[in-house]
Amino acid sequence: KAGVTQTPRYLIKTRGQQVTLSCSPISGHRSVSWYQQTPGQGLQFLFEYFSETQRNKGNFPGRFSGRQFSNSRSEMNVSTLELGDSALYLCASSLEGERYGYTFGSGTRLTVV
Amino acid sequence: AQKITQTQPGMFVQEKEAVTLDCTYDTSDPSYGLFWYKQPSSGEMIFLIYQGSYDQQNATEGRYSLNFQKARKSANLVISASQLGDSAMYFCAMREGLSNDYKLSFGAGTTVTVRA
Repeated sequence: KAGVTQTPRYLIKTRGQQVTLSCSPISGHRSVSWYQQTPGQGLQFLFEYFSETQRNKGNFPGRFSGRQFSNSRSEMNVSTLELGDSALYLCASSLEGERYGYTFGSGTRLTVV
Repeated sequence: AQKITQTQPGMFVQEKEAVTLDCTYDTSDPSYGLFWYKQPSSGEMIFLIYQGSYDQQNATEGRYSLNFQKARKSANLVISASQLGDSAMYFCAMREGLSNDYKLSFGAGTTVTVRA
């Protein structure tokens, strides 16, 4: 069974630009979460979507946004990029129910120059 | 306040030996779940083991076991018979309010290096 697919794997952008990252969850998983990982701040929760609705949002500025489509695929967008947005962005999908672990993708490594 | 604390930034372990990775957590919610993930240098987070707050038994998955001490709010991961492929970063994570909150709070991680 296919895992969580994130595209692209690597991305280099310039300050002020915007970027869109994509995540395709495991088939049947309707919950998709996004996390930012940096050496300084560690892993931080961005937002979580279920059935096209944002259920939870982390403490990030409005430049970070996301959406989920009817096929559960999700995108996150960062506008007006800053150098501090350089990070590994991880997407995770999950089945409903407390016992299910979140399956993560390999991440998109974003570098802002 | 930090929800998940991992006090060991890095550890070395000899191949075939066991290693214990510490994790303490902070929550006032009676319903929570604790997870351990492995992150190799490739970046992907690999789910290892889960412990629910109401579980009576400690979780085990192959060579991984979780030493859950609820009163002390600790959830240490034990890796038995270490292998070279176990070299990676290990993260402890918690999800609170299991009925409707799918957010994971992560610790800072522990880097494990297995020596031959």
